[in-house]
Order: sequence, then structure tokens, then C-alpha cells
Amino acid sequence: VMTQSPATLSVSPGERATVSCRASRSVGSHLAWYQQKPGQAPRLLIYGASTRATGVPDRFSGDGSGTEFTLTISSLQSEDSGVFYCQQYNNWPPWTFGQGTQVEIK
Amino acid sequence: QVQLVESGGGVVQPGRSLRLSCEATGFSFRTHGMHWVRQVAGRGLEWVAVMSYGGTNKYYSDSVKGRFTISSDISKNIVYLQMNELRPDDTAVYFCAKVEYDSSGFQYFDSWGQGTLVTVSS
Repeated sequence: VMTQSPATLSVSPGERATVSCRASRSVGSHLAWYQQKPGQAPRLLIYGASTRATGVPDRFSGDGSGTEFTLTISSLQSEDSGVFYCQQYNNWPPWTFGQGTQVEIK
Repeated sequence: QVQLVESGGGVVQPGRSLRLSCEATGFSFRTHGMHWVRQVAGRGLEWVAVMSYGGTNKYYSDSVKGRFTISSDISKNIVYLQMNELRPDDTAVYFCAKVEYDSSGFQYFDSWGQGTLVTVSS
């Protein structure tokens, strides 16, 4: 089970946003982060816990291993709003997602 | 450039069947597996099924096992999700997603289609 916190995050532009994800058992570094905007498909941001996907701005960073992970947006931009999901791909099947964190621009 | 386009969604009565398609361009199923993931409106993401590259291995979530079947036409680069005995709680947007492999060979989802809506209702 993947558990994210907080459920909702409201951050001012330029400020830092941090989303946490906890796994019920170790997933090593096999953790991905996705961003989803309304009416759109999820977009891969981070894989391997800390590797940015192609084209992802460097204000997005991932950290952690084992059971504790974080996604940080160093300086929130207006286009960064959306729902962020963590996903483990170490213990499969199933591939499991966190319940999501809504990031809002204050 | 990778592109995934789902089709086949619609409104169907409980107990009936529906087949979803996901047409892929920019890569081959001979080298990349494919997943189906669904999302109930306003809710999170739920993994549904996976087919390994070449189509040899298939896995399903407990919620669809025995009712859904994933398959592919490698020559056309289309992956299918045959959904039988549909229930109201199968109502969701269904996404197909392409497998990519990290440095240790574990697979994550690097590209997603836009999704197709399945509504199961009488």
C-alpha cells in the first residue's frame, strides 16, 4: 500500500512544495511520480525515485528509498498545479499508486 | 515519437462485454510491454492488466481477473482489453500505458494514452 500526504497542498508561486509517499514495505528505489491535470492523462515526472523523465524541468526532484519518498517542486510555477501520484514498481503484480496529492496554487 | 490512442469505450449494460483498443506508434510491442490502468471519475489510478513484450506474460488485478483479457496484434501494434461480465464498478476512464525499463530492469510507465471512458449502466 502506498500512502501519500498531504491530500491537498496549497502553495504560493515561487514557494517550495513537498509531497510525501510512504510504502507499506520496501520498494527499493523503484518509485515513480506522475502529474495529472484535469481531463488529461498522467505524465511521468520521476522514475527510479530520483531520475527526472525527459523534458521535466529541474525544479522537480525526487528523493528517498525503501519506504519513504518525497517529491519536491523547488519553486512552484502556475502550470504545476494538478494531482501528483506516487507509484511503486518493485513488488508486482499489482503495480500500486498512492491516492494522490492535489497541489493548488495559492 | 511515442503516441498511444485508445478507443472502444462507451455505455454498456451490466453483464455485457466491451473491447478496448490502444493503437501505438513510435515503438514496438516486440520490445516493450503494455499496461491498462483505470480511473474512476474524481478518484485515483488503479492498475488493471499488463502484457509483457512479445505477449508471453500477462497479469491482472484481482478485481478483473477471470473477466478481462489483455492481448495484442503485434503486426498492427494494437493492444486490446477484452472486458466481459462488466459491472457498474468497472465504470472508469481506461488508459493504456507503455512500459519502460529502469537500469535494474524494473518496469515503469513512461507514456500514456488520453484514455477512453467506459460506463456500465442499465
